[in-house]
Amino acid sequence: DVKVTQSSRYLVKRTGEKVFLECVQDMDHENMFWYRQDPGLGLRLIYFSYDVKMKEKGDIPEGYSVSREKKERFSLILESASTNQTSMYLCASSPRRAASYEQYFGPGTRLTVT
Amino acid sequence: AQRVTQPEKLLSVFKGAPVELKCNYSYSGSPELFWYVQYSRQRLQLLLRHISRESIKGFTADLNKGETSFHLKKPFAQEEDSAMYYCALRPLGDDKIIFGKGTRLHILP
Repeated sequence: DVKVTQSSRYLVKRTGEKVFLECVQDMDHENMFWYRQDPGLGLRLIYFSYDVKMKEKGDIPEGYSVSREKKERFSLILESASTNQTSMYLCASSPRRAASYEQYFGPGTRLTVT
Repeated sequence: AQRVTQPEKLLSVFKGAPVELKCNYSYSGSPELFWYVQYSRQRLQLLLRHISRESIKGFTADLNKGETSFHLKKPFAQEEDSAMYYCALRPLGDDKIIFGKGTRLHILP
């Protein structure tokens, strides 16, 4: 059973703080993703990583950075949190170029920036 | 441009009535299409993919290339179908998925 875990379910941070969101997957997947989920806006891709130390910007990378030092771990970093980054953050992983493709999601981290 | 459109933000249906969640896509090639579902307090998960042509929890979805649609259907709604549903498109050869904005399905008793 694929497991994607996220370090926190709920997080409250102050404006200007540096925030780390951690994601770990146990299925040896090459791909990992960070999304924002907002009502009415759906899922928007922030960053994508297809291998260790490799990353690609998604649709909304501004204000975010990522780190992938190990295959199983993908971190999302908010360098200086702002109130408009209050959101639900979802991590996902997938195998690379699989014939039967599926993204597996973590439970989400609800971040509130005050 | 590659795009997935779900025209309804909210769909309310009575229990036992048929359900149709609409999805239209914009893509020049042959896409791979999915429906993902998120039940209350659960993680987002794959419901079905068009390649499999399967029925999951009574739901089916047929790819209509002429109308560029992939509507999700169920003949008789159940209360446990209440959830958020996302249609998604995977471009050929890509490992990223384009999600629609989602439709919240509310089954009325």
